[in-house]
Amino acid sequence: DAGITQSPRHKVTETGTPVTLRCHQTENHRYMYWYRQDPGHGLRLIHYSYGVKDTDKGEVSDGYSVSRSKTEDFLLTLESATSSQTSVYFCAISERDEQYFGPGTRLTVT
Amino acid sequence: QKEVEQDPGPLSVPEGAIVSLNCTYSNSAFQYFMWYRQYSRKGPELLMYTYSSGNKEDGRFTAQVDKSSKYISLFIRDSQPSDSATYLCAMEAGNNRKLIWGLGTSLAVNP
Repeated sequence: DAGITQSPRHKVTETGTPVTLRCHQTENHRYMYWYRQDPGHGLRLIHYSYGVKDTDKGEVSDGYSVSRSKTEDFLLTLESATSSQTSVYFCAISERDEQYFGPGTRLTVT
Repeated sequence: QKEVEQDPGPLSVPEGAIVSLNCTYSNSAFQYFMWYRQYSRKGPELLMYTYSSGNKEDGRFTAQVDKSSKYISLFIRDSQPSDSATYLCAMEAGNNRKLIWGLGTSLAVNP
């Protein structure tokens, strides 16, 4: 994950506050993804992007929005954080079929 | 029924054992198959990538795909304590760049 960074790496926030997570890549890959990972549910796709300003929903997109204004940055926003959004969030990038993951952001909503 | 099924384990083996990890799937359109390794509190890392049926070997790791049975396997020879991790399978039909994931199998290799 040398070419992918996520910030912040850890965050604790209160219910009802907006939160933005950032994914930054230096690989110039076209596709970028946001996942959440929870025990018993595995990796679940939230949103993904197939180019600048081109995004689409994944299987668990409710309560999340994304933006991609530059190739290298993909932002995930929790519009009004809820306790059910406590999770580990991973960004991934891809140019073909295989995906490469960032180190993750551990988010706790209290 | 989930599109991809993977036994979560945990699997515990002695050092040096041969480990077999498996996934089954239901969508016959899947063409690309991947195995990822995830250490505790880290992101998944790509271990093996195969296209279509057959075997692929990389060091101590062998990935096997049987499309007729909709079954993929990852074999680890001479397992080491450093192989202790969760192993996730993933696959894709090749038409939308979205991977379908297994839940992962937790493996512990005991010295």
